[in-house]
Amino acid sequence: GNSVTQMEGPVTLSEEAFLTINCTYTATGYPSLFWYVQYPGEGLQLLLKATKADDKGSNKGFEATYRKETTSFHLEKGSVQVSDSAVYFCAQQGAQKLVFGQGTRLTINP
Amino acid sequence: GAVVSQHPSRVICKSGTSVKIECRSLDFQATTMFWYRQFPKQSLMLMATSNEGSKATYEQGVEKDKFLINHASLTLSTLTVTSAHPEDSSFYICSARDLAWRPKETQYFGPGTRLLVL
Repeated sequence: GNSVTQMEGPVTLSEEAFLTINCTYTATGYPSLFWYVQYPGEGLQLLLKATKADDKGSNKGFEATYRKETTSFHLEKGSVQVSDSAVYFCAQQGAQKLVFGQGTRLTINP
Repeated sequence: GAVVSQHPSRVICKSGTSVKIECRSLDFQATTMFWYRQFPKQSLMLMATSNEGSKATYEQGVEKDKFLINHASLTLSTLTVTSAHPEDSSFYICSARDLAWRPKETQYFGPGTRLLVL
């Protein structure tokens, strides 16, 4: 069945460091792919999305490119801030429901 | 953007009591709402899909008599945890799709309800 695998956390970086959080998926067909962010004690917010191969989603300095050949959707940011500390979830949209990865906790130290 | 609210945001109850959590779409109509459960430091687990005017579809392993879902209108779905026990303590999150939803679109998530059963 459809699944999403994210790199294990937690990830701890210093402010202004480069961030990559890996995400790969298995699916039949070409699902839409999403990154969600969850700040402490809150629900999920959509960070970015891509709906077809080679699409690049971007928002708030974060980017991810839909790579069909490697079935990946890695999240990147060139210079992280303390305020980026949160849990990040990669997800794919199946026919009826979202399938989430396990989440990656990111902590940015000043 | 579309807004989904949940009420209450946190609730503490005694073991054996029932708790109702509301999920509302504030500025759009939602034919489908989803209920998720999240354990500490874990991912979201889909519990059930709620369709307006019909019975909810539960995921495997989720007790439908334990977690009652009602979706009586296009803007409101409720999750009732019946005879709650400490192991039901968790963070419950709902999400909603609007009427014009297509598979390329996202769902809109509520802020979550933290349930603690003593």
